[in-house]
Amino acid sequence: DAKTTQPTSMDCAEGRAANLPCNHSTISGNEYVYWYRQIHSQGPQYIIHGLKNNETNEMASLIITEDRKSSTLILPHATLRDTAVYYCIVRVAGGNQFYFGTGTSLTVIP
Amino acid sequence: DTGVSQDPRHKITKRGQNVTFRCDPISEHNRLYWYRQTLGQGPEFLTYFQNEAQLEKSRLLSDRFSAERPKGSFSTLEIQRTEQGDSAMYLCASSWSGVTGSYGYTFGSGTRLTVV
Repeated sequence: DAKTTQPTSMDCAEGRAANLPCNHSTISGNEYVYWYRQIHSQGPQYIIHGLKNNETNEMASLIITEDRKSSTLILPHATLRDTAVYYCIVRVAGGNQFYFGTGTSLTVIP
Repeated sequence: DTGVSQDPRHKITKRGQNVTFRCDPISEHNRLYWYRQTLGQGPEFLTYFQNEAQLEKSRLLSDRFSAERPKGSFSTLEIQRTEQGDSAMYLCASSWSGVTGSYGYTFGSGTRLTVV
């Protein structure tokens, strides 16, 4: 599975959009981009995933560049409860495991 | 369905003792995974089951570790002769893997092991 690169930490003002970038320049055509987050002392929580097209659900939006070498997770109106570590992972559909890396620690500031 | 359940939430044990953790996955999920997470790191894959078959094991899973999933339902992870380096959060996850490929996991809240 392709490796990803994420900033170590980010801050975001409460109520503003949080934009979390991820680079995955070696992604293969059959690999999906997944985003998970982990709030302190809890298990990781699935947020969203996509292959080529932009995706949106009740939690977030995922924007994937046309060349698929990078993506951005957007939390449209960040709240204090969105403070967590966010992991960007690429994996083939049906793959057996996720490689989490160290993620981006997002702090939402009041 | 209440999601993925793990028991116990916390376990403190003395070095050299054996410990066993239990995971109850989402009932319709056929895949079950075990991960380990140490402080400041992301979760690391240990092993996974499809139904009752253990299909892959990480190099992290030493011979002191054993996992089972009898009848393809709940799973147990046992660590024999625990060492201080085994102190970590042990996470269980489950997913459905259909013909078109698997989707996201659902994780449990984990079992935090402290070896003293």
